[in-house]
Amino acid sequence: DTAVSQTPKYLVTQMGNDKSIKCEQNLGHDTMYWYKQDSKKFLKIMFSYNNKELIINETVPNRFSPKSPDKAHLNLHINSLELGDSAVYFCASSQTTGTGGYTFGSGTRLTVV
Amino acid sequence: AQSVTQPDIHITVSEGASLELRCNYSYGATPYLFWYVQSPGQGLQLLLKYFSGDTLVQGIKGFEAEFKRSQSSFNLRKPSVHWSDAAEYFCALSGGGADGLTFGKGTHLIIQP
Repeated sequence: DTAVSQTPKYLVTQMGNDKSIKCEQNLGHDTMYWYKQDSKKFLKIMFSYNNKELIINETVPNRFSPKSPDKAHLNLHINSLELGDSAVYFCASSQTTGTGGYTFGSGTRLTVV
Repeated sequence: AQSVTQPDIHITVSEGASLELRCNYSYGATPYLFWYVQSPGQGLQLLLKYFSGDTLVQGIKGFEAEFKRSQSSFNLRKPSVHWSDAAEYFCALSGGGADGLTFGKGTHLIIQP
């Protein structure tokens, strides 16, 4: 039973395309997140979302948009992909308090060519 | 603004030797503190976490960390490393709520035979 699962694991696409990455958690957590890990392995939060609010990192381009059909899913849509979007994207979840820790998915490696 | 500093980008340790990875943080109160490990091509695995109470925290795989408020530090230690410990190690903090994690830039651990 995978706690936080992401699909696809690898995604290769051309510049200008629109793509989505899906994330699902079965932990009963009420908050989900998207992180970006760049080529230097630096991890930065992009979004956090629970059923009450979306918190957006101000540095994230508006080509990126999270969409949550329900509490267990948080998908990431990316429009007009650029070369600089190539990275590993991690989904994570937690209880809003954060005291239970944060559980990460295995990541999606996005390559824009 | 909150931040996490891992001063050592790379550390090389002989197998069987002891290990200490440094982590310093900046936060206006006592944060929640975490250590994660990432093996090549893998996701993030939680090693241990500190929320309150005993400042010496035990984690998985024989790791421990000590929270020192006066030094704003949360250093990770292991008495005897194994070749399988070679990986990227990330220190992170959270203020709780839905803010998610702020990561340090990571320390790449190399194990010499």
